[in-house]
Amino acid sequence: DVKVTQSSRYLVKRTGEKVFLECVQDMDHENMFWYRQDPGLGLRLIYFSYDVKMKEKGDIPEGYSVSREKKERFSLILESASTNQTSMYLCASSPRDRGLYYGYTFGSGTRLTVV
Amino acid sequence: TQLLEQSPQFLSIQEGENLTVYCNSSSVFSSLQWYRQEPGEGPVLLVTVVTGGEVKKLKRLTFQFGDARKDSSLHITAAQPGDTGLYLCARSNTGKLIFGQGTTLQVKP
Repeated sequence: DVKVTQSSRYLVKRTGEKVFLECVQDMDHENMFWYRQDPGLGLRLIYFSYDVKMKEKGDIPEGYSVSREKKERFSLILESASTNQTSMYLCASSPRDRGLYYGYTFGSGTRLTVV
Repeated sequence: TQLLEQSPQFLSIQEGENLTVYCNSSSVFSSLQWYRQEPGEGPVLLVTVVTGGEVKKLKRLTFQFGDARKDSSLHITAAQPGDTGLYLCARSNTGKLIFGQGTTLQVKP
């Protein structure tokens, strides 16, 4: 069964900590995405990547960075966690040029709480 | 970012009732997708519509794409408790998906 795996389902971190959220996909997809999901706001795109070592800013990149050293892995980094980054984080992947029709495959999400 | 407006935001109905969820934008879509998300899971694709006026059916779910490709609707016939979840529409924008804020549906037995 093909899947996108996020390393943690729940995470609690302290303000100011550096936080790594890991995402791995086994579908050989070129495209990978990080979204955050907040009640009433839907999914908002943080960063995405179309290939290894490539990254593009989404709509809300401030306070985040990403790393894509291998095709199957896309990491989201919170350089200095703040309470307003408490959220559900969703990773997704899609095949190049076909994701807009065949859809994205999402992981189960990481619920991050920053205290 | 070109916004997608979904309505209603919340819907609570009894089993067996029908319902319609709407997704609207001021600009034309090249394609539109509907996803369903259950608690504790990521969204799962239900359907993609690409042609103005297109209608697609998935069991009791009927998806319609407006003629002008600026709006879409999801109609559920005889809703069941298993239909409970968050329904999201998403449109393509320069190669990536932009999501609406979602409609939370609760179907009570």
